Amino acid sequence: QITLKESGPTLVTPTETLTLTCSFSGFSLSSSGVGVGWIRQPPGKALEWLALIFWDDYKRYSPSLKNRLSITRDASRDQVVLAMTNMGPVDTATYYCAHWDSRLFDSWGLGTLVTVSS
Amino acid sequence: QSALAQPASVSGSPGQSITISCTGTNSDVGGYDYVSWFQQFAGKAPKLIIYDVNKWPWPSENFTRFSGSKSGNTASLTISGLQADDEATYYCCSYADAAVIFGGGTRLTVL
Repeated sequence: QITLKESGPTLVTPTETLTLTCSFSGFSLSSSGVGVGWIRQPPGKALEWLALIFWDDYKRYSPSLKNRLSITRDASRDQVVLAMTNMGPVDTATYYCAHWDSRLFDSWGLGTLVTVSS
Repeated sequence: QSALAQPASVSGSPGQSITISCTGTNSDVGGYDYVSWFQQFAGKAPKLIIYDVNKWPWPSENFTRFSGSKSGNTASLTISGLQADDEATYYCCSYADAAVIFGGGTRLTVL
């Protein structure tokens, strides 16, 4: 059974860098076709894809946010870390990590709400 | 990379069928048979209900009232035999050259 869990700060101040960790189990990030992605959802708004890291360490980012994002993996600890710089109030959202199986997100974490406020 | 276009809301009565459209471009929906659909209840994580345009996740018997299709740059989700607990927000999602695009979401109301 695949499980994922997001962790990190619930409150960040404007201009700060947000660092979120996705801890997963039930799959190996070394298996061909596998990846872990990050998706966010502002309150009352739509899902927005942020980043994806693949089994071979290939990384892809949302074009609109790529200058602020960094995704890394620690395969030995079954974790993926997302960093987002220069946080602002518009970045207040629930952040999800999800398992990527070749061409879809098939399992999601419960999400973590991050509020940006001074 | 704009969001895939979905109607903001649809509604139907119990027992009826409804269809939600999802329109993209040749670079995403039209270029790949990798459209998936998610159901999301308020305060919950999205749940996969259709993938690869028209396939059911396992166990398939949980998803047989949901069906998907695609024509050109538009994918569609049909929910048959509407039930009260289908009331949720539905999102389409497309693979697009190692990137991912979501739709704006459609709120389904069961009358």
